[in-house]
Amino acid sequence: GAGVSQTPSNKVTEKGKYVELRCDPISGHTALYWYRQSLGQGPEFLIYFQGTGAADDSGLPNDRFFAVRPEGSVSTLKIQRTERGDSAVYLCASSSLAGVYNEQFFGPGTRLTVL
Amino acid sequence: ILNVEQSPQSLHVQEGDSTNFTCSFPSSNFYALHWYRWETAKSPEALFVMTLNGDEKKKGRISATLNTKEGYSYLYIKGSQPEDSATYLCASYSGAGSYQLTFGKGTKLSVIP
Repeated sequence: GAGVSQTPSNKVTEKGKYVELRCDPISGHTALYWYRQSLGQGPEFLIYFQGTGAADDSGLPNDRFFAVRPEGSVSTLKIQRTERGDSAVYLCASSSLAGVYNEQFFGPGTRLTVL
Repeated sequence: ILNVEQSPQSLHVQEGDSTNFTCSFPSSNFYALHWYRWETAKSPEALFVMTLNGDEKKKGRISATLNTKEGYSYLYIKGSQPEDSATYLCASYSGAGSYQLTFGKGTKLSVIP
């Protein structure tokens, strides 16, 4: 079956602009996660959803970052007033349920470059 | 804040060589350790989810062990092949009521034909 997909695969924007990154999880997966990998670092947690609600948004770096999952499937990560430091690969993952033993299935990521 | 460390940062081996690398994590409040393989331009792929002290898991030529008392896991690759070239990531849970994974920085493996 189809895996996790993310669009766009690459996004180049200018400092100060608004961007939206989309994630399509595996059908039927109720948990959805966003991570960010900056150069030379491992992926860092941003937020996760259980169904439509954000169960943990403690990783969002500041109020310029926001994510939604209105129907419990597709999620959009929104970044306002982008800064050069936001340049990174943004990864989305989903799992059948949220749980420490449940495998998270990752998408290929969106590479965001802020000029 | 959970601290997950991996070593070495990068590794070059000849085709056919066996190799291993390390993931260290806090031994207190341990719940689970995940290993992923991330090839360039592809999605990170789950290799193992390890939960019990002494766990050993195997998938083809790749295997992993877990020591939760001392807080480390080893990943072994037997007879490395060029297609094994990838970044290998390990991740653990803080377990503090959240399901966020905390990743190490990864070990980048290059297998030279």
